[in-house]
Amino acid sequence: GAGVSQSPRYKVAKRGQDVALRCDPISGHVSLFWYQQALGQGPEFLTYFQNEAQLDKSGLPSDRFFAERPEGSVSTLKIQRTQQEDSAVYLCASSPTRNYEQYFGPGTRLTVT
Amino acid sequence: AQKVTQAQTEISVVEKEDVTLDCVYETRDTTYYLFWYKQPPSGELVFLIRRNSFDEQNEISGRYSWNFQKSTSSFNFTITASQVVDSAVYFCALSEGITQGGSEKLVFGKGTKLTVNP
Repeated sequence: GAGVSQSPRYKVAKRGQDVALRCDPISGHVSLFWYQQALGQGPEFLTYFQNEAQLDKSGLPSDRFFAERPEGSVSTLKIQRTQQEDSAVYLCASSPTRNYEQYFGPGTRLTVT
Repeated sequence: AQKVTQAQTEISVVEKEDVTLDCVYETRDTTYYLFWYKQPPSGELVFLIRRNSFDEQNEISGRYSWNFQKSTSSFNFTITASQVVDSAVYFCALSEGITQGGSEKLVFGKGTKLTVNP
């Protein structure tokens, strides 16, 4: 079956622009996670949804970051007024239920110039 | 607080050698999960194993084996008879907060880059 997909795969934004990153989880997966991976580092948690409810957004670095999952399926991570320090790979993961492994998408590489 | 330490930044071996990747974790929870993921040069994280805190049995899957020791808070990963295709960055991760209805977020180590030379 299809895995987690993300789009776009690559995004170049000028500093100050807004960007929107999309995640299509595996069909039927209840839990959805966003992570940020800087070059040479491990992924770091941003936010978590269970169905359409955002249960944990403790990892969002600033109020410029916003995520939604309105119908409990596709999710969008939005970054407003991008800064150079936002340059990273943004990973989306989904899992079918609680206490289960997470399946990751290919990521979106964001470069802010 | 939760923390995962992978002290080996890079390891280089010759094909057919055995190699062990170390992982040490910190948590105050009694119920937690440990994971290993592989990130090949293509970039996509690939799930390898999940182990819960109540199951200290070692596990073997083909050339891969995992050694979980609660007494030393370690969850080490061994590849036997390494192959060039094993070259990747390997991440150890911890998930806790489940008993408190937490978010099951993964806390990752910094990763170990394994290079297997022919």
